[in-house]
Formats: sequence, structure tokens, C-alpha cells
Amino acid sequence: EVQLVESGGGLVKPGGSLRLSCGPSGFTFSSYAISWVRQAPGKGLEWVAFISPGSKYIYYADSVKGRFTISRDNAKNSLYLQMNSLRAEDTAVYFCARATITIFGVITPNWFDAWGQGTLVTVSS
Amino acid sequence: SYVLTQPPSVSVAPGQTARIPCGGYDIGSKSVHWYQQKPGQAPVLVVYDDSDRPSGIPERFSGSTSGNTATLTISRVEAGDEADYYCQVWDSSSDHYVFGTGTKVTVL
Repeated sequence: EVQLVESGGGLVKPGGSLRLSCGPSGFTFSSYAISWVRQAPGKGLEWVAFISPGSKYIYYADSVKGRFTISRDNAKNSLYLQMNSLRAEDTAVYFCARATITIFGVITPNWFDAWGQGTLVTVSS
Repeated sequence: SYVLTQPPSVSVAPGQTARIPCGGYDIGSKSVHWYQQKPGQAPVLVVYDDSDRPSGIPERFSGSTSGNTATLTISRVEAGDEADYYCQVWDSSSDHYVFGTGTKVTVL
């Protein structure tokens, strides 16, 4: 069974940092692209960051570019999201999601076919 | 930036058909995917590539695209279909995923 489990969420002050982790199981992690998607309380889904299987392609939403860093360690079967300079508007449940991709010379991300249950990040003084 | 617009809510009686529109410029040139999210749960993929269904998703869920609108159709609606639904595309001009604003489906 495909599973993704997020960890590392919690309460942090504005301007602080936090690192989220995602631990997958039930599939070959190194063969799949992964994204982080967040959902503020009572709001819709917002894509945050994407990383290709070999880390060659990395993309960020404009709202987090320059503050967040996505990375992965395929040897450890782990995905990370380093979040710096956190703001109140970063408060959300953060999901990691397995992303399907198509490669025809260039990479084209498609849909998310598996999601974790999410970890809550609260930015507040 | 690319924007996908959905109505905030759709109400439907049990056994009837719910249609959830997702509007975006030239959306017909993109692949559209749909997710169902129930309260307190992670999203679940219900339609991918405009009209394909993942295994385990009932045939009652179908997708279509025409012009500037993609539509998720839920036939013979059941109480268990009550949830939020999001459309999603990949915008190659910005290298960004884009989610629609979300539609809450209420079963009367």
C-alpha cells in the first residue's frame, strides 16, 4: 500500500524556521516526483514546491520562493521542506503528495496520485 | 498567473446529477485533474487527464472539457459524495501547479 507520512509540524514564531519531513512507503521513492501542498485553515489547496525523482527539476510557488527549500535523500527514502522566515500566512496543514510526471525531452508534472495525511504548521507569536 | 475558477458551492438531491465547472483560459489545451476532499482528510484523486478514473473510483464520476471550462460530473449522487472538490492543472508557462478555488458539494 502506498503511504506518505509527514512530520515536523508545530508552533513557530514569525521569522522562525521549521523543517518538515515526509516518509514514503509502499513504492520505489527514488522513481517518483513529490510535491508539498498546503491548506490554510478553512481555505483551499495551494501548491508549494515540486522536486523531480533525481532532484534535477525543482519548482516553487511564488509565495514561498526564496524562503522555502525542498530536498530529498533517496538513499534515506525521505523528502524535506526547509521553511525559513515564516509568516503568519504560512499557517496551514502541509501535505506531501506523490506526483506523476511525463518526460518527452522536458518534464511535465501531471496529477497527484497519493497524499499523506498532513502536518500542521502554526506561525504565531 | 494562471487562474482556475470554481463556484463556491453546488447543491444536489440524492440520485440526481451534480456538475462542477472549472473555468480557465484555454483550459482545453491543458490536462485537468480533479480531487475530492472530505473534512479532516487528505484529498483523493477522482479524475485525471480530463476524463480518466483511477482504480477504485466509481463510474459515477466523470470529467469533460470544452472551450474554457472543464466539468466534473457526479451521476446518481449519494450522501457520501458530500465533500469539497478541486480541479488542478500544470501551467507550463510558469512551471507552477494551479488548483481551482474549490467547490463544496452539498447533498440535500
